Amino acid sequence: GQQLNQSPQSMFIQEGEDVSMNCTSSSIFNTWLWYKQDPGEGPVLLIALYKAGELTSNGRLTAQFGITRKDSFLNISASIPSDVGIYFCAGYYGGSQGNLIFGKGTKLSVKP
Amino acid sequence: GAVVSQHPSWVICKSGTSVKIECRSLDFQATTMFWYRQFPKQSLMLMATSNEGSKATYEQGVEKDKFLINHASLTLSTLTVTSAHPEDSSFYICSAESKGKDQPQHFGDGTRLSIL
Repeated sequence: GQQLNQSPQSMFIQEGEDVSMNCTSSSIFNTWLWYKQDPGEGPVLLIALYKAGELTSNGRLTAQFGITRKDSFLNISASIPSDVGIYFCAGYYGGSQGNLIFGKGTKLSVKP
Repeated sequence: GAVVSQHPSWVICKSGTSVKIECRSLDFQATTMFWYRQFPKQSLMLMATSNEGSKATYEQGVEKDKFLINHASLTLSTLTVTSAHPEDSSFYICSAESKGKDQPQHFGDGTRLSIL
């Protein structure tokens, strides 16, 4: 079945540093989504990407839909302690929006 | 923005009990709702897809008689874990999707289910 490879699995950074994480797929995806999940809570949508090559920002977050439609990255600039959490990429493939596949997550730790 | 409410947020009960979890879309009509299960330090795994007024579609390996799903209206879906056992303990999360092109899923805050 479809798989998403998300890396890195975890990151330990200093406050103020920039962060980059990415996801790759073995197949073409129609939509890429980036979510953040805090402990004991549901994922919160950060950025949604719908077109190949699309670059979208949300505050200090920037994400891009790869030209090949098989990858996406998320950058966080000038990290702050509240950025701590698990970041998931997710993508839709095929014709049905129900086929949302999640990456395994990147756990971000920020040292003040 | 889109808000999905999930209730309860935390349940502890004895083995053999049936537990109902509600998922509501508060400010939009959700034509489709999804139920996920997440084990510690793992990603979300889709259990079933629920369309309003029709039977849910279950993912392979998910017992439909064990996890009963009802999507009675465009704003409410329920998941009932019947005769729950300790191995059913997990974090259950619902999401909802509205009509229209390019509408991403919005998630509830999850329900922590602990079966003793």
